[in-house]
Amino acid sequence: DTAVSQTPKYLVTQMGNDKSIKCEQNLGHDTMYWYKQDSKKFLKIMFSYNNKELIINETVPNRFSPKSPDKAHLNLHINSLELGDSAVYFCASSQPLRRAEAFFGQGTRLTVV
Amino acid sequence: TQLLEQSPQFLSIQEGENLTVYCNSSSVFSSLQWYRQEPGEGPVLLVTVVTGGEVKKLKRLTFQFGDARKDSSLHITAAQPGDTGLYLCAGAQVTTDSWGKLQFGAGTQVVVTP
Repeated sequence: DTAVSQTPKYLVTQMGNDKSIKCEQNLGHDTMYWYKQDSKKFLKIMFSYNNKELIINETVPNRFSPKSPDKAHLNLHINSLELGDSAVYFCASSQPLRRAEAFFGQGTRLTVV
Repeated sequence: TQLLEQSPQFLSIQEGENLTVYCNSSSVFSSLQWYRQEPGEGPVLLVTVVTGGEVKKLKRLTFQFGDARKDSSLHITAAQPGDTGLYLCAGAQVTTDSWGKLQFGAGTQVVVTP
């Protein structure tokens, strides 16, 4: 019973390609997030959705487009991939007005070659 | 700009020793959390502290939240190899403006050798 699951776990692709990462949570949380972890293990928020509505967009390039079909799902589509997009992307969910404790997926390691 | 400063960045100790990781900020947080991340996995929540001066214990782990709610520490007593991992502190404002956005420290890699 995985609380937050994301697919795929690994993604290797060439520059210029378009790719998507999918995320699902079964915790009943209203809010979902995408975080990016760089090569130095630093985690930074990218987006937040609350009940399908975009709440936070942390100056991420337009090539990144999140989409939330319902409050249990949050997908991330990336256009025209660049070498610098290589990182580990984590989906998370929480109830932000109740201590904001986040539950993370396993991560998707994206490698752009 | 990193709002949460974690120290040290790396800690290597022998089994049975004690260790402390620090998390300092110039900002006040409503909620401060500690996570542990293992290779190939996502961060896993260890504890949340919300009250200034709060102390929480989780078996051999002791967490403190500063009186001003700006800094925190994690102390591990009699460390075991299973404690090896990347320890992350994260602060959040529990408001409708921030929507639970977590600001992370850079992490402390802890290695406990048998």
